[in-house]
Amino acid sequence: DGGITQSPKYLFRKEGQNVTLSCEQNLNHDAMYWYRQDPGQGLRLIYYSQIVNDFQKGDIAEGYSVSREKKESFPLTVTSAQKNPTAFYLCATQRWQGGGYGYTFGSGTRLTVV
Amino acid sequence: DQQVKQNSPSLSVQEGRISILNCDYTNSMFDYFLWYKKYPAEGPTFLISISSIKDKNEDGRFTVFLNKSAKHLSLHIVPSQPGDSAVYFCAASVMSGTGTASKLTFGTGTRLQVTL
Repeated sequence: DGGITQSPKYLFRKEGQNVTLSCEQNLNHDAMYWYRQDPGQGLRLIYYSQIVNDFQKGDIAEGYSVSREKKESFPLTVTSAQKNPTAFYLCATQRWQGGGYGYTFGSGTRLTVV
Repeated sequence: DQQVKQNSPSLSVQEGRISILNCDYTNSMFDYFLWYKKYPAEGPTFLISISSIKDKNEDGRFTVFLNKSAKHLSLHIVPSQPGDSAVYFCAASVMSGTGTASKLTFGTGTRLQVTL
């Protein structure tokens, strides 16, 4: 059954630590995206990748890093430089759905700084 | 600069009545629009979309209307059901000239509460 797997579902980070959020897909989609959701701010784009070994910064890339070494995987690292990392993180792939491109989302990772 | 705006953070509607969720955009280059539904602690799920060559698209209880001149779209849910209670995001994109995928820009969401 095709889909997107985000892990872990809940993650706790101490101040000053780097953490990596996993996103794996078996949908064979080229484009992958990372968003974060904060209350009242909707979904904001962190990074995206249209193809393997290539990625671009989104609107709020500072304090984050990504890699895209294989089509199936697009991990997101939240570094200690990210000042307010507590949020709900969503990974998505993009597909043609008739008339335009839409997203399929994973189930998300809730990151909390303790 | 918020290119996609949902000015109503919340909406409460009685079961069986119509729910109307609104969305405005400022970028006239947007030509594909989508609505997503999101439950707490889950990823959003696709609901319905419309391209700029249309002004209406219908799928069961859900209808999306697009008014390009006003840069406004709306989602109508008829009849509303308790299971429709969720946060609804509108999103927009610009189809590139080559037809390749492009990122979605999301609104801030509207929380719909359908009451009994």
